[in-house]
Amino acid sequence: EIVLTQSPGTLSLSPGERAALSCRASQSISNNFLAWYQQKPGQAPRLLIYAASSRATGIPDRFSGSASGTDFTLTISRLEPEDFAVFYCQQYGSSPHTFGQGTKLEIK
Amino acid sequence: QVQLVDSGGTLVKPGGSLRLSCAASGFTFSDNYMSWIRQAPGKGLECVSYISNSGDITYYADSVKGRFTISRDNTKNSLYLQMQSLRAEDTAVYYCARDTGPFWNWGQGTLVTVSS
Repeated sequence: EIVLTQSPGTLSLSPGERAALSCRASQSISNNFLAWYQQKPGQAPRLLIYAASSRATGIPDRFSGSASGTDFTLTISRLEPEDFAVFYCQQYGSSPHTFGQGTKLEIK
Repeated sequence: QVQLVDSGGTLVKPGGSLRLSCAASGFTFSDNYMSWIRQAPGKGLECVSYISNSGDITYYADSVKGRFTISRDNTKNSLYLQMQSLRAEDTAVYYCARDTGPFWNWGQGTLVTVSS
């Protein structure tokens, strides 16, 4: 199975700053089928990005995703107070679909 | 709009059984794969099981294989997870999700606690 490693474990930034979250796959992901989710405390995860770089419905354009080989990045251009949460990547290019361990984005 | 409502979670003793349900609305249920994903307290996300739109294809994580059974009733727009021989490590919030490759929609989750 494909193992996804997210870094850093915790990222401390201030509103208005730019955030870059990394997700590295243990092997190539078919068709760059990688998604990003945001999860706030007590809530279900919300899909942000699919196919590495496509924004889900209703997701602000300050969220963007990119891919380079087996390295994937979620970028938040200018952090808003509501953006602070835990972020997970997930690959669905091969079965079983797997998640990364998460990156916590906290207010500095 | 799409809605998934999870239910059935409760406190159960080790070795016990439980059935989770997920009621779907707002989309053509019979056209979609569906999944159960769980999250242990303070931990990350784990894909537990999925089922094809017609129900003829299923997948189980190694951690639950032989103990959990996923099923669906397309006439009732409902997804189920029958859990047997429950262990302490099965304690988690269980989410149903519409599986379009990415998990496009999620239920609110239902808490299963396995403890004596």
